Amino acid sequence: DAMVIQNPRYQVTQFGKPVTLSCSQTLNHNVMYWYQQKSSQAPKLLFHYYDKDFNNEADTPDNFQSRRPNTSFCFLDIRSPGLGDAAMYLCATSRDQGTGANVLTFGAGSRLTVL
Amino acid sequence: GQNIDQPTEMTATEGAIVQINCTYQTSGFNGLFWYQQHAGEAPTFLSYNVLDGLEEKGCFSSFLSRSKGYSYILLKELQMKDSASYLCAAMDSSYKLIFGSGTRLLVRP
Repeated sequence: DAMVIQNPRYQVTQFGKPVTLSCSQTLNHNVMYWYQQKSSQAPKLLFHYYDKDFNNEADTPDNFQSRRPNTSFCFLDIRSPGLGDAAMYLCATSRDQGTGANVLTFGAGSRLTVL
Repeated sequence: GQNIDQPTEMTATEGAIVQINCTYQTSGFNGLFWYQQHAGEAPTFLSYNVLDGLEEKGCFSSFLSRSKGYSYILLKELQMKDSASYLCAAMDSSYKLIFGSGTRLLVRP
């Protein structure tokens, strides 16, 4: 089945120790997104790639970086995790952008714990 | 600013019907999405409305009024497995989804 796969599902790190979360997709979708979701809160868009074009949200901290080496893979790097970065990180894809084409398919998420 | 409002929690009985409301304010509007999210899992797509009116999808319906900035999802014949959070999300003029915090629905026997 075509899908969005995130690894690891659970990540525990220490304060300040860099973390990389990965996302792969077999849907051949053009757009890949990273969302941060804290408990009982709305998913918050961090950034997205339209093909190779990177789009950062204005309020995304510099501590968060992303790479998309090819169509199938996207990575989220957290350079120096703080306690406030503990959250579920959701990767999502969409076929394209635009009315009707923007249905998001989400991965299962990576839950980050910062000690 | 951009804002999505939906109730925090609702409770309903198995077999009943429940309506979850959502109001939105966005910079431009390109449609309204509903997603279901079980605890600890990823959101899954339920519906997309861009035109006014009611869309029937079998066990649920979704409604949109663009003039009122209002949408609802109507879940029929509730089952225990429908206990989840329901996220409302509006697409703004740049095709970005603005999510609400979700409505946690508890279905009781």
